[in-house]
Amino acid sequence: SYVLTQPPSVSVAPGKTARITCGGNNIGSKSVHWYQQKPGQAPVLVIYYDSDRPSGIPERFSGSNSGNTATLTISRVEAGDEADYYCQVWDSSSDHPGVVFGGGTKLTVL
Amino acid sequence: EVQLVESGGGLVKPGGSLRLSCAASGFTFSSYSMNWVRQAPGKGLEWVSSISSSSSYIYYADSVKGRFTISRDNAKNSLYLQMNSLRAEDTAVYYCARDSAVGSGYDWNFDYWGQGTLVTVSS
Repeated sequence: SYVLTQPPSVSVAPGKTARITCGGNNIGSKSVHWYQQKPGQAPVLVIYYDSDRPSGIPERFSGSNSGNTATLTISRVEAGDEADYYCQVWDSSSDHPGVVFGGGTKLTVL
Repeated sequence: EVQLVESGGGLVKPGGSLRLSCAASGFTFSSYSMNWVRQAPGKGLEWVSSISSSSSYIYYADSVKGRFTISRDNAKNSLYLQMNSLRAEDTAVYYCARDSAVGSGYDWNFDYWGQGTLVTVSS
């Protein structure tokens, strides 16, 4: 089955740029979606179709996807961005198609 | 305002059964595919199952196939998950989530989520 690999943690100072990667075999050929989850809360969609932002998501959040890596970029990081972030794709390439989530990355704002 | 409210969670013994419900409001439920996603305590997100707007297309994760059944009642704006032969590893918060695509298909991203219902499988 398809595997998405994320770093367990990323740390960044306020005002700096955070980059969270999501690795997968030829992930550039798939559509990648990103979710933010704060403690005790449900996930929130922050990027869909690699780089589109839902309404209400700040422009500081952006995404890219090429080759074997998709990246969620958060510019001018704020304390309120501290959360777990998950990438997600739909994998239709195997005999058992399904939704795949990455293991999640905990973003710490220093 | 879109709202998804899960219910039906609780403590169940291994081998037991439980039926989760998700009540939807604030949108035309019959026009959207719906999903169940779970999260074990302290762990990441795991997709469980998806059902298209008219129930024509249904998908399951390998970990639940043959034990769980997803269904919906568009007249009642409700989504269900029948869980049988429960195991300790099914212990998780179960979220109901809406697919963002309007109509009969899937976009395979989830734009609205409920707050979840906790299922604990333990003797």
